[in-house]
Amino acid sequence: GAVVSQHPSWVICKSGTSVKIECRSLDFQATTMFWYRQFPKQSLMLMATSNEGSKATYEQGVEKDKFLINHASLTLSTLTVTSAHPEDSSFYICSAIIVGSPLHFGNGTRLTVT
Amino acid sequence: SQKIEQNSEALNIQEGKTATLTCNYTNYSPAYLQWYRQDPGRGPVFLLLIRENEKEKRKERLKVTFDTTLKQSLFHITASQPADSATYLCALEQGSGNTGKLIFGQGTTLQVKP
Repeated sequence: GAVVSQHPSWVICKSGTSVKIECRSLDFQATTMFWYRQFPKQSLMLMATSNEGSKATYEQGVEKDKFLINHASLTLSTLTVTSAHPEDSSFYICSAIIVGSPLHFGNGTRLTVT
Repeated sequence: SQKIEQNSEALNIQEGKTATLTCNYTNYSPAYLQWYRQDPGRGPVFLLLIRENEKEKRKERLKVTFDTTLKQSLFHITASQPADSATYLCALEQGSGNTGKLIFGQGTTLQVKP
């Protein structure tokens, strides 16, 4: 079945640095991917929609200059958390859409900013 | 605004019993509703999708009902097993037009005791 791979699975970084998270569709092409964030004991919150070859669209309240999204190919979307701060520590999950099918999720990236 | 609610309290049941989880929504007229399973530190995994014109859907030991009048979906696991222990999320599409953008409930954690 369709697989979405996310890398890294966990990362620890210092406050003020930037972190890049990759989301790959392994056996299908994904023109659209979604980035979610999940805080402990809370639901997944949609951050942005990543569109291959065009700019990402961000949900209300999500800073586009802080969470940079690049979807340069049909199988790869990246999320860069710039100038990370401890409040950015969270579980980031990507998903990809195949027309006519439910979403396929990656296994998430646990970001800890110290 | 669109809102999805699941019982945030954990559900503890004995192995072999039927687990029933509830998902309520407001300010929505969804064309379909989805249920996902999420294990700790992992991304959600799709389980079932039920459309607005379907009252009930089954998959092996899983059963989902969808009452658009009550604005409620029930998720049942029959003959539950310890391996069913996980957090279960319901999700609805944000907006309209088959965008693939999902809004999730906060999830209900199920613990099946042997």
